Amino acid sequence: AQSVAQPEDQVNVAEGNPLTVKCTYSVSGNPYLFWYVQYPNRGLQFLLKYITGDNLVKGSYGFEAEFNKSQTSFHLKKPSALVSDSALYFCAVRPLPGNTGKLIFGQGTTLQVKP
Amino acid sequence: GAVVSQHPSWVICKSGTSVKIECRSLDFQATTMFWYRQFPKQSLMLMATSNEGSKATYEQGVEKDKFLINHASLTLSTLTVTSAHPEDSSFYICSARDVSGEAGYNEQFFGPGTRLTVL
Repeated sequence: AQSVAQPEDQVNVAEGNPLTVKCTYSVSGNPYLFWYVQYPNRGLQFLLKYITGDNLVKGSYGFEAEFNKSQTSFHLKKPSALVSDSALYFCAVRPLPGNTGKLIFGQGTTLQVKP
Repeated sequence: GAVVSQHPSWVICKSGTSVKIECRSLDFQATTMFWYRQFPKQSLMLMATSNEGSKATYEQGVEKDKFLINHASLTLSTLTVTSAHPEDSSFYICSARDVSGEAGYNEQFFGPGTRLTVL
């Protein structure tokens, strides 16, 4: 079955330190990969995507993610965390380009950045 | 940028009543919209895919007679929760797919969500 895994329910990091939120996937074909952020009682905000090309993708708010095909991973990173980055982060995969556009979401990782 | 709105942002209703939630793409056309349900601190569960001018496609385990979806235009999809019960209380999020995106990829934009509480 196709799935997305975010192995950490919560990631804690001190402000100014680098952060990594992990994501691995198990889907067929060449998927499109996404990261979204959700603040309390809000919808999802798009951070970045990988479709093709350079494995390192840069997105909004200083976030970036690295696509690793051999490890089927798409970890989210930021060199220097901010307290305002504290939120719920979702990795998502669109299994096949040209399909209905359905996304498969990971279970989410809560990022807590402490001052 | 592309904006998706939802109305209402929150609603409280009595058990047994029906509630309609609207999802609108404000500055783009969306042939496809998606409806998700999210429980506290959990992931989004896709409920159905809404296609303009045709019947919605429901995910396995989602009751189509309970969660009625109508996608009457390229900018509006509605989700009606019929005969709501307390277990239907949840955060409902819609997303809309921009048909004008680059070839092979149509970006999906999410609404702000609707908090439904059934008493």
